[in-house]
Amino acid sequence: GAGVSQSPSNKVTEKGKDVELRCDPISGHTALYWYRQSLGQGLEFLIYFQGNSAPDKSGLPSDRFSAERTGGSVSTLTIQRTQQEDSAVYLCASSLGDRGGSEQFFGPGTRLTVL
Amino acid sequence: AQTVTQSQPEMSVQEAETVTLSCTYDTSESNYYLFWYKQPPSRQMILVIRQEAYKQQNATENRFSVNFQKAAKSFSLKISDSQLGDTAMYFCAFMKPMNYGGATNKLIFGTGTLLAVQP
Repeated sequence: GAGVSQSPSNKVTEKGKDVELRCDPISGHTALYWYRQSLGQGLEFLIYFQGNSAPDKSGLPSDRFSAERTGGSVSTLTIQRTQQEDSAVYLCASSLGDRGGSEQFFGPGTRLTVL
Repeated sequence: AQTVTQSQPEMSVQEAETVTLSCTYDTSESNYYLFWYKQPPSRQMILVIRQEAYKQQNATENRFSVNFQKAAKSFSLKISDSQLGDTAMYFCAFMKPMNYGGATNKLIFGTGTLLAVQP
């Protein structure tokens, strides 16, 4: 079956513009995660969705970052008024989420470059 | 808060030889999960191996095995018979499972070890 897909694969934007990054999880996976991979900060957790529960937004670095998950499937990560320090690879992962320690399956990531 | 430390930024190994990547972590939890993920140049993160903290037996997956020392909070990865396709960044990760204290299964990653397998 299809894995986790993300679009676009690369995004170049100008400082101050808004961007939307999309994630399509594996069908049937109830848990969805966003991570950010940057040279300065390494791999860091951003946000987590599990079914109909309130998302865990504890990793979002500022209020310019937001995410939503529609219909328990596709998720969109939005960054408003982008800054150069937002440049990173944004990774999405999904898992069955029905028990502790479920394997997370990662997408190929979106490389965001803010000029 | 949990932390994961990988003290080897880069390593190199000859094809067919064995290499061990180190990982230590800090937690006050008694039950948790540990993972090794591989990230080749394609950027796709791939699970290599998983260990449940309450299991004393070290996990193995074909050429990959771990040495899990719970008391020492150490979780090293051994790759036997190294192959060119093993060239990648390897990340050690910690997870406090969602069943405990409202945790959300999020992964806490180390800084990674770049492994180069030489022909």
